[in-house]
Amino acid sequence: GQNIDQPTEMTATEGAIVQINCTYQTSGFNGLFWYQQHAGEAPTFLSYNVLDGLEEKGRFSSFLSRSKGYSYLLLKELQMKDSASYLCAVTDSNYQLIWGAGTKLIIKP
Amino acid sequence: DVKVTQSSRYLVKRTGEKVFLECVQDMDHENMFWYRQDPGLGLRLIYFSYDVKMKEKGDIPEGYSVSREKKERFSLILESASTNQTSMYLCASSRARYGYTFGSGTRLTVV
Repeated sequence: GQNIDQPTEMTATEGAIVQINCTYQTSGFNGLFWYQQHAGEAPTFLSYNVLDGLEEKGRFSSFLSRSKGYSYLLLKELQMKDSASYLCAVTDSNYQLIWGAGTKLIIKP
Repeated sequence: DVKVTQSSRYLVKRTGEKVFLECVQDMDHENMFWYRQDPGLGLRLIYFSYDVKMKEKGDIPEGYSVSREKKERFSLILESASTNQTSMYLCASSRARYGYTFGSGTRLTVV
């Protein structure tokens, strides 16, 4: 079967750095997405990785290792507004998006 | 600014009612999707469509149907609403193989 695993919940301190991991087992791979979802709102696109390595976008970076079936989202200089759920999703060989259950990130002052 | 619009943000319906959830996108995207999202379960695909009048079942189609008569509109229908269909419903659209744009969601409560 197809499976995406990410921690259910993480807590971090304002101003710090946090890394949210995602491991996947899918039938084929055509890219990995990270989305941010604030409570009661729709997911919004953060990043897309299809090749191995690190993609940096401001305070957020996303890393991919296809051989390990692994990705992480790195958030630097955490702000209170970063409190949200972070969803990992993988596009399989049929270009279907397979979603993880999401990681709820709690930022404390 | 590209947009996916869902007709209602909150809905309360009675058991057995027929419920229509509407979704409209203004990006000329070929692909449209309906998901439901429940705590701890993540996003689960109900139905999707790659073209007008075309529909495919997702992972949990039971109790639902869809309609896509125009490219920009994708409707989700609950034929006879039940309490276990209480959920957040999210519509999304995409072009070809790119990422999804989501609507703001409809929180449906069936009583």
